[in-house]
Amino acid sequence: GDSVTQMEGPVTLSEEAFLTINCTYTATGYPSLFWYVQYPGEGLQLLLKATKADDKGSNKGFEATYRKETTSFHLEKGSVQVSDSAVYFCALSDTQGTGFQKLVFGTGTRLLVSP
Amino acid sequence: GAGVSQTPSNKVTEKGKYVELRCDPISGHTALYWYRQSLGQGPEFLIYFQGTGAADDSGLPNDRFFAVRPEGSVSTLKIQRTERGDSAVYLCASSSGLPPYEQYFGPGTRLTVT
Repeated sequence: GDSVTQMEGPVTLSEEAFLTINCTYTATGYPSLFWYVQYPGEGLQLLLKATKADDKGSNKGFEATYRKETTSFHLEKGSVQVSDSAVYFCALSDTQGTGFQKLVFGTGTRLLVSP
Repeated sequence: GAGVSQTPSNKVTEKGKYVELRCDPISGHTALYWYRQSLGQGPEFLIYFQGTGAADDSGLPNDRFFAVRPEGSVSTLKIQRTERGDSAVYLCASSSGLPPYEQYFGPGTRLTVT
């Protein structure tokens, strides 16, 4: 079945450092790919998404590019802030084009940013 | 506007008891999802409603789990004869059912079975 693998955390960075969180996927079709973020004490929020190969999703300074050849969707940010400290989940949905999005999540990566 | 709400936020129950978890979706959202997040894991899909009907319940782990959405709005996840392995955070999400089909998640109900 479909699956998502992301790097284990925690990832510990100093403010203004460069961030990469790796994510690879296995899917039989052509899934849509997502990054969700969970801030302390809050619910999951969609951070960005990409629906087809070579698409780049971006939001709040974060970016991820859908790489079909390497089945990857790595999350990057050029300069992290303390407020970016959260748990980040990579996810896919292989029901593109329908109203039903059965999300398959990775295990999450905790990011800790210190001042 | 109001987001997805879930009650209770925490529930502690004894093994073998019955529990109900409630989800209030965003008003007007026709699609509703339940996920389960065990400690250290990502959320796992349980069931999807489109309107009042369960369009996909392939993620329900066994017949102790059941969910309803009788009026196409509020949904209740019901767990019979709870087991310690049911301890997890149960997440609800709703979607408008229109592109881009984004799911909006509630804060979750943390269930602990002792």
